[in-house]
Amino acid sequence: GENVEQHPSTLSVQEGDSAVIKCTYSDSASNYFPWYKQELGKGPQLIIDIRSNVGEKKDQRIAVTLNKTAKHFSLHITETQPEDSAVYFCAASISGGGADGLTFGKGTHLIIQP
Amino acid sequence: DTEVTQTPKHLVMGMTNKKSLKCEQHMGHRAMYWYKQKAKKPPELMFVYSYEKLSINESVPSRFSPECPNSSLLNLHLHALQPEDSALYLCASSHTSEGGELFFGEGSRLTVL
Repeated sequence: GENVEQHPSTLSVQEGDSAVIKCTYSDSASNYFPWYKQELGKGPQLIIDIRSNVGEKKDQRIAVTLNKTAKHFSLHITETQPEDSAVYFCAASISGGGADGLTFGKGTHLIIQP
Repeated sequence: DTEVTQTPKHLVMGMTNKKSLKCEQHMGHRAMYWYKQKAKKPPELMFVYSYEKLSINESVPSRFSPECPNSSLLNLHLHALQPEDSALYLCASSHTSEGGELFFGEGSRLTVL
């Protein structure tokens, strides 16, 4: 089955700096790669996703890049703000996030230092 | 309405109790999911319902029994649980089981004594 590795497990950055979280996946058939943000006491919330026919996607301060050859994808957050502090999970799916669900990475605890 | 609503938010039960977790969505989604999340871990898929039919059961013990009464509701019946079953139980939905964004509820935090 699919295996998703996520690094780092904890990331501390100064407010205003950029944060980068990296994930690798094992199944070359994976075609859908979402990123979820989970704040304390809440359920995960989709912040951005990318499909295998696209190399990069951007939404304001958040961007995701995908390298299919190397089987890795990354989340980039620029101009970080205190409200960006949360746990971030990457995930991969061979069915667009469908019936087989998603395989999640272990998560990255992002801490924004004021 | 883009919400998945879960009740109760917190539940404490003994190992001999029978209780249920409830989930509701009014987005017209036809796929609904139960995930289990332990502290500092990612969510783990338990069950998938597609068009009110159970399509995936990820080898979950029979002390967890899912039910989908209609396309908007999803229940998880709990019986004879163990302390190690204590976790955050997340419900999610998506447009169909073929893919698309998963919308998660805020979860039901279960403690088994």
